Amino acid sequence: DQQVKQNSPSLSVQEGRISILNCDYTNSMFDYFLWYKKYPAEGPTFLISISSIKDKNEDGRFTVFLNKSAKHLSLHIVPSQPGDSAVYFCAASGKGGTSYGKLTFGQGTILTVHP
Amino acid sequence: EPEVTQTPSHQVTQMGQEVILRCVPISNHLYFYWYRQILGQKVEFLVSFYNNEISEKSEIFDDQFSVERPDGSNFTLKIRSTKLEDSAMYFCASSEQLGEKLFFGSGTQLSVL
Repeated sequence: DQQVKQNSPSLSVQEGRISILNCDYTNSMFDYFLWYKKYPAEGPTFLISISSIKDKNEDGRFTVFLNKSAKHLSLHIVPSQPGDSAVYFCAASGKGGTSYGKLTFGQGTILTVHP
Repeated sequence: EPEVTQTPSHQVTQMGQEVILRCVPISNHLYFYWYRQILGQKVEFLVSFYNNEISEKSEIFDDQFSVERPDGSNFTLKIRSTKLEDSAMYFCASSEQLGEKLFFGSGTQLSVL
């Protein structure tokens, strides 16, 4: 299932700099997108989401950008902190009815923020 | 902050045995889900549950799987006759409204020998 793809398995960033994590999707029925963070031995933790009617959503240090024409979204973390080091998952859900709870996940990107 | 609780954290079972994975969703949430992640693979949707019935299920969720909300707080996933390929981390999740962010538990690592 390649409907949601995170092509970078890992990303290494210096503390204080910007981290940019990317995600591509192929299913045009997706209209709600989420980013989750996951530490080892824990479940995914919700970070931020965006509806397809928007192209940007911001929450503190986290901003998600959505480019519907390119079927691409990105998560920006500014400034990056060592505690941000985790696996980041992009997820998407489809239009209408019960499909909103059915998330399709990407493979994840391991972010390492160096002090 | 309220959280989704899953027990046990690890479960080892023999092939062919039945297992029940337990979850306590966040108390005011109405929608419940099970996902799983096989080692090295993506997190996959299994089933969603609302108003005491299954809302949606994936192809993975065959007749060997069932879910139940036996009381007002617990949400369980039963695998009737486990197979080796059922070995995975199973995550329970809940949400207050459909379409809103899902809150995940820490998972149950199921190992089928």
